[in-house]
Parts: sequence; structure tokens; C-alpha cells
Amino acid sequence: DTEVTQTPKHLVMGMTNKKSLKCEQHMGHRAMYWYKQKAKKPPELMFVYSYEKLSINESVPSRFSPECPNSSLLNLHLHALQPEDSALYLCASSQTGGFTGELFFGEGSRLTVL
Amino acid sequence: DQQVKQNSPSLSVQEGRISILNCDYTNSMFDYFLWYKKYPAEGPTFLISISSIKDKNEDGRFTVFLNKSAKHLSLHIVPSQPGDSAVYFCAANNAGNMLTFGGGTRLMVKP
Repeated sequence: DTEVTQTPKHLVMGMTNKKSLKCEQHMGHRAMYWYKQKAKKPPELMFVYSYEKLSINESVPSRFSPECPNSSLLNLHLHALQPEDSALYLCASSQTGGFTGELFFGEGSRLTVL
Repeated sequence: DQQVKQNSPSLSVQEGRISILNCDYTNSMFDYFLWYKKYPAEGPTFLISISSIKDKNEDGRFTVFLNKSAKHLSLHIVPSQPGDSAVYFCAANNAGNMLTFGGGTRLMVKP
């Protein structure tokens, strides 16, 4: 199994809603990532979890709250988002130790904030 | 400040010909470079990589060249096929769990 699975694929939410994006991998990877991608832009790193601990937070607003319940799961909790937060949210995973950059990406969750 | 740049937003090539996608970087600490391919509505998929100790890596129709003195790398696809039409991202790593992506180049291979 070399897949990273993200749900939901599409999400529309209002600015007062609370929702969550979910990501799952069963490759035994111990590093998991959230990236944000706007149209015609490269993926931008948001968070990195290494061994279920948050290791990198790229100055992301607190309305985005990541959670790593176990080594296979990564969530992104969303609350009080703004329309400019509409984007494709990509989850990725990788092996740790001697990291060379090969990430396995999910298909993404396309978020629209109204 | 963009540390990884892909100056051509798009490239159009005839089927069977060579596609050359270029990437420039500014951070001399980058030691590993990767190319990702992205189809619409899908996440990026890893294509090929090269370590800074090498200047060429080949995998089937795909070859990546690295010129460290010029801080430049390129991806050659030969022969190009219509199924290669996608957005290609160059990415760089300088140890640690962080990749820096370029802006992407949209490749269109015409039958």
C-alpha cells in the first residue's frame, strides 16, 4: 500500500463552521505533512509531524489546528476560516531519518470557504 | 524570496520530441533535488531525484541534470508522450523534513 488517503475530497464551509480534514497512510512513514496549494502556485508547507510530534509550524494562523492521533493518521481542524483560505490542502508522508525529500502525496482536499 | 524558481510557466512540445524543463535555485545549502509531476485533481507524484554529489540521474525516458556551479537543474523527457502533459514542480531539500518547491511548469505534449 503506497497510498496517502485524504477525506473529504471536497469541502465547502462557512466562516463560522468547524470542520476537519483527514489523512491516512499505512506505509509505516513516521513523518506527515500538511501543505496548502493555491491555484497556479507551488505547494506551501504548513505543518510537519515527526513521530507524532509537531516539529514544524510554518507560522500558520491558529484557525488551522493540526492533530496527529497516531502514526498513521493526520488531521487538520478548521475553525473560523476566511475566504482566502480556500485552496487545495495536501497531506504527504515520508520516511524519517536520512530524509531526501521524497514525499508521498494524497490527492488533496479542495476547500472552499464562503 | 523564491529560493527555487521555474521561470517558464508553460511549455508546449510535439509528441516524440524532447521536453526540457528548467529550474534555478539560490540556496547553496540545498543538497537534494527532486521533480514532481502533478495532474489536475491529483496530488503531486514523485518522478526523479538527484543528489548534489551527482550531475546526472537517468530513469527511463527521464533524465535530470544538475549544474551546481550555475545552481541550475533541468529535466529532460525523451521521447515526450501526450500522457506526460502535466504540471512539473522542481523541489529542493537541505536536510530536515522540508522541501522548497518551485512555481511549476505546465507541459503540454501535442499528438
